Amino acid sequence: EAGVTQFPSHSVIEKGQTVTLRCDPISGHDNLYWYRRVMGKEIKFLLHFVKESKQDESGMPNNRFLAERTGGTYSTLKVQPAELEDSGVYFCASSQEFGRGVTDTQYFGPGTRLTVL
Amino acid sequence: QQQVKQSPQSLIVQKGGISIINCAYENTAFDYFPWYQQFPGKGPALLIAIRPDVSEKKEGRFTISFNKSAKQFSLHIMDSQPGDSATYFCAASFYGQNFVFGPGTRLSVLP
Repeated sequence: EAGVTQFPSHSVIEKGQTVTLRCDPISGHDNLYWYRRVMGKEIKFLLHFVKESKQDESGMPNNRFLAERTGGTYSTLKVQPAELEDSGVYFCASSQEFGRGVTDTQYFGPGTRLTVL
Repeated sequence: QQQVKQSPQSLIVQKGGISIINCAYENTAFDYFPWYQQFPGKGPALLIAIRPDVSEKKEGRFTISFNKSAKQFSLHIMDSQPGDSATYFCAASFYGQNFVFGPGTRLSVLP
């Protein structure tokens, strides 16, 4: 079974530019999460999709960040315009729907390292 | 109330020794406490997890001890091996959603 994949693995952009990160969850996982780790600090929650709906986006830092999950499959996270403080590693995770008796394990992708110059 | 504290920030252990990492949380509504292991260039991978209805869970060399009244939980790695060298994150959540992570502990196991 393929794991969570993320693209690109690295992205270097200039301040003011736009970047789009992509996450492909494990097939069949309804829950999809975005997290970010900045400057060696803790991994912080950004938002949570259940299928194509945003369940919780309380962790999104500001309106420069836009996440979508069309058709409840892959998800994109767009940063527009990027600022210096957006640099960090963006992780995506997925899990099966809670309530089916399956553990709450979130499977993480390898992350996208974003550097804003 | 959403913060999870983790210590130490870094840990050096001799091969065969015991590695202990501690975490503390504030929100008593948290009901799921996983530990994740991350190797360089990889995403965090679930190591072991516990719910507050048990005080200890063991899987191989890895044990979680949970103290609900103190709002603390810890990871013990017995017989630590160089291959265990990684960054370890504790986390807490409601119903397994929207993890609140600790800042991480970088473990180095010397051969």
